Amino acid sequence: DIQMTQSPSSLSASVGDRVTITCRASQTISSYLNWYQQKSGKAPKLLIHAASSLQSGVPSRFSGSGSGTDFTLTISSLQPEDFATYYCQQSYTTPLTFGPGTKVDIK
Amino acid sequence: EVQLLESGAGLVQPGGSLRLSCAATGLIFSNYAMSWVRQAPGKGLEWVSSISGNGGSTYYADSVKGRFTISRDNFKNTLSLQLNSLRAVDTAIYYCAIGDTVTASSFAYWGQGTLVTVSS
Repeated sequence: DIQMTQSPSSLSASVGDRVTITCRASQTISSYLNWYQQKSGKAPKLLIHAASSLQSGVPSRFSGSGSGTDFTLTISSLQPEDFATYYCQQSYTTPLTFGPGTKVDIK
Repeated sequence: EVQLLESGAGLVQPGGSLRLSCAATGLIFSNYAMSWVRQAPGKGLEWVSSISGNGGSTYYADSVKGRFTISRDNFKNTLSLQLNSLRAVDTAIYYCAIGDTVTASSFAYWGQGTLVTVSS
């Protein structure tokens, strides 16, 4: 199985900050990497698919990069509505696997 | 607008069974793979099972293989998950989600989730 790790597991940031979350796969997954945002009590929401493609309707302050085993989600200027938990997920092969999540909260 | 609505939530004793359903609207259902993803209380996301658009291929996490069965009815636009031999560790919110394909895709749409509690 492909293991996904994320760092940091949590971070505190202020509105307007640039935030970067990293995700690493235990083996190469090409660009089959997705990012989701989940707010408390809500279903996850797709932000980025195929490592760097912004999902329709998602603000452009979100961006993704990487390929192979190392990936990054960047929020260029953190907004109040961005405080949430972020998960990466590989779709290269089954079993599909998620990272453990990164919780972004208010400093 | 694509909408997914899960049903079937419940409290069940260990060893018991439950059937979850997910009704889809706003899309050509048979064109899409469907999946179940669960989230235990306070924990992260865990993929459970997926099924191809025509229902011919199914996939399971090792943790549920042999106990859970995924199926779909492309005439009724409905996805189902039969949960047997339930264990306390199966307690979670179960989400249905849509992807273009099982792999090389993403979960673009999610239901609101349905809670399964396994407890005596």
